[in-house]
Amino acid sequence: GAGVSQSPSNKVTEKGKDVELRCDPISGHTALYWYRQSLGQGLEFLIYFQGNSAPDKSGLPSDRFSAERTGGSVSTLTIQRTQQEDSAVYLCASSSAGGGPDTQYFGPGTRLTVL
Amino acid sequence: GEDVEQSLFLSVREGDSSVINCTYTDSSSTYLYWYKQEPGAGLQLLTYIFSNMDMKQDQRLTVLLNKKDKHLSLRIADTQTGDSAIYFCALMNTGFQKLVFGTGTRLLVSP
Repeated sequence: GAGVSQSPSNKVTEKGKDVELRCDPISGHTALYWYRQSLGQGLEFLIYFQGNSAPDKSGLPSDRFSAERTGGSVSTLTIQRTQQEDSAVYLCASSSAGGGPDTQYFGPGTRLTVL
Repeated sequence: GEDVEQSLFLSVREGDSSVINCTYTDSSSTYLYWYKQEPGAGLQLLTYIFSNMDMKQDQRLTVLLNKKDKHLSLRIADTQTGDSAIYFCALMNTGFQKLVFGTGTRLLVSP
């Protein structure tokens, strides 16, 4: 596609439920990133995938958060047993090689609301 | 960890210049970026600068980097109403692929 796409654009869930957020990176991009944007914490890095290397999970806030990237393309961010503090906009980005000045192209985000 | 601060709000008149400032604590940042976020949209990369540069100009945008003071600024010349958005500075260290974002500055351009 022309850019990074994310689905759903909005997700409302009840506390305690699991949610899955999807990211389709730009075709051919080997690097994929997840960030979270919330009022209290600003924009935070969550996880980074580069090719077949082990992902950098250093930004995941708790073990309720996990992500996978299948076939080096689509990625899914899963939040288990959601809490109200998980409410945020989850942004996905991809870049052609990862790191340095290689531009990270961002998707429009998924707005998650946990009631 | 890295601490990146921006002023929250800036208001200018159309046609004026805007200067958005960013201060940071980690002097090992190698790449420094400016992103723009419009309502309901993702982040759009505007420009970036390497840490071995002091200035970069790109059309209406001028980036200044003062490494001694750990201060980065973005100047927008002839600001237009379409420039109204939130602007984020972001830093990256060599070997660490994540971007560390500033707190964001909301720019409001009035006619």
